[in-house]
Amino acid sequence: SQKIEQNSEALNIQEGKTATLTCNYTNYSPAYLQWYRQDPGRGPVFLLLIRENEKEKRKERLKVTFDTTLKQSLFHITASQPADSATYLCARPLSGNTPLVFGKGTRLSVIA
Amino acid sequence: DVKVTQSSRYLVKRTGEKVFLECVQDMDHENMFWYRQDPGLGLRLIYFSYDVKMKEKGDIPEGYSVSREKKERFSLILESASTNQTSMYLCASSFWQGLGGYSPLHFGNGTRLTVT
Repeated sequence: SQKIEQNSEALNIQEGKTATLTCNYTNYSPAYLQWYRQDPGRGPVFLLLIRENEKEKRKERLKVTFDTTLKQSLFHITASQPADSATYLCARPLSGNTPLVFGKGTRLSVIA
Repeated sequence: DVKVTQSSRYLVKRTGEKVFLECVQDMDHENMFWYRQDPGLGLRLIYFSYDVKMKEKGDIPEGYSVSREKKERFSLILESASTNQTSMYLCASSFWQGLGGYSPLHFGNGTRLTVT
């Protein structure tokens, strides 16, 4: 059964706009969620971690939220640039402190 | 920076061959993982290891085995390669943070394996 879902396979956005990617999970809320970036032909690279008791986390132009009521995490890139084009993956531990389960990813294209 | 190195970027093997995929990390991480990534299916965990000589099955271990004889090295073995094992294989490492769970994963750049 699906434990973590990224609803959009692909998202196109104009340069300068804010990109918002969604990650939904089922069952109980994990202790934390992680977001990764993956470029073609490369392994994923860690971006941000947010814990269940944190509503929001920021890093430069990136912002992640964690809503345990909606069972959802949102990933925002403000002032998006063509260099932000990549696939973004969310991940959670399946239970307790087990290894991460990944969503299928959202491929973001920022158009100049 | 943590470096996770996978020995081959591209590999072509024949059905029935025994295939070894090697992964080495340089940061003394105790945890190492093998995932495969396929279009439409995302990343799926094959095996992982908490320590030397220890291994745990992930979600899709069938047709695979692993070896961890040294802390820095984690090998994935395809006992008899089949065409449905054509995929991108990704190795990752992390350390244990106690109550914080696993540290974020550090991935290698993958081995794209084609079985013909």
